[in-house]
Amino acid sequence: AQSVTQPDIHITVSEGASLELRCNYSYGATPYLFWYVQSPGQGLQLLLKYFSGDTLVQGIKGFEAEFKRSQSSFNLRKPSVHWSDAAEYFCAVRSSGGSYIPTFGRGTSLIVHP
Amino acid sequence: EAQVTQNPRYLITVTGKKLTVTCSQNMNHEYMSWYRQDPGLGLRQIYYSMNVEVTDKGDVPEGYKVSRKEKRNFPLILESPSPNQTSLYFCASSSGLNTEAFFGQGTRLTVV
Repeated sequence: AQSVTQPDIHITVSEGASLELRCNYSYGATPYLFWYVQSPGQGLQLLLKYFSGDTLVQGIKGFEAEFKRSQSSFNLRKPSVHWSDAAEYFCAVRSSGGSYIPTFGRGTSLIVHP
Repeated sequence: EAQVTQNPRYLITVTGKKLTVTCSQNMNHEYMSWYRQDPGLGLRQIYYSMNVEVTDKGDVPEGYKVSRKEKRNFPLILESPSPNQTSLYFCASSSGLNTEAFFGQGTRLTVV
């Protein structure tokens, strides 16, 4: 069975600082990987996804993530955080077949200090 | 506009009173799913459907029912709601292999 671990429940950064949110997955074959963002009171918005090819993927809002098969990781990064990035971030993994519905991590809450 | 629509957005109900949360998508997606979101637990899958009349249990199906009579609709039914079903619920849909899941805006349910 597939699973996702986001080891950090909360992350606090200063505005303008760099950000890295960690995600580790467990899946037997090549996974499909996603990062979603949830702003307060909102639904989930896709930031980026990895299906195959280049292991460094670019997303919206200046985010990027790198797939590292050897570490079973898909960490999310941003070079300079803005106050509007404060939100809940979810990593998700999906199989290449089957239900096509992703399994989510528990989420990381990002707090941005001015 | 491509979207997944859930109704209602907010609902307060009493224990044992049957309720239905509707979900509709206009993207002709085969795959639909319901999640509940609870603090510290992320999103946990309740039920999913791979096509019309095909549904299966997710990780936390107890106390819930679903149906998929039409491709666009995937209602979530709570026959006898209990306070531990107080949660934020999301419906999602996907067209399959090389796409992501699209989410509704969520339904905040409170059972008292």
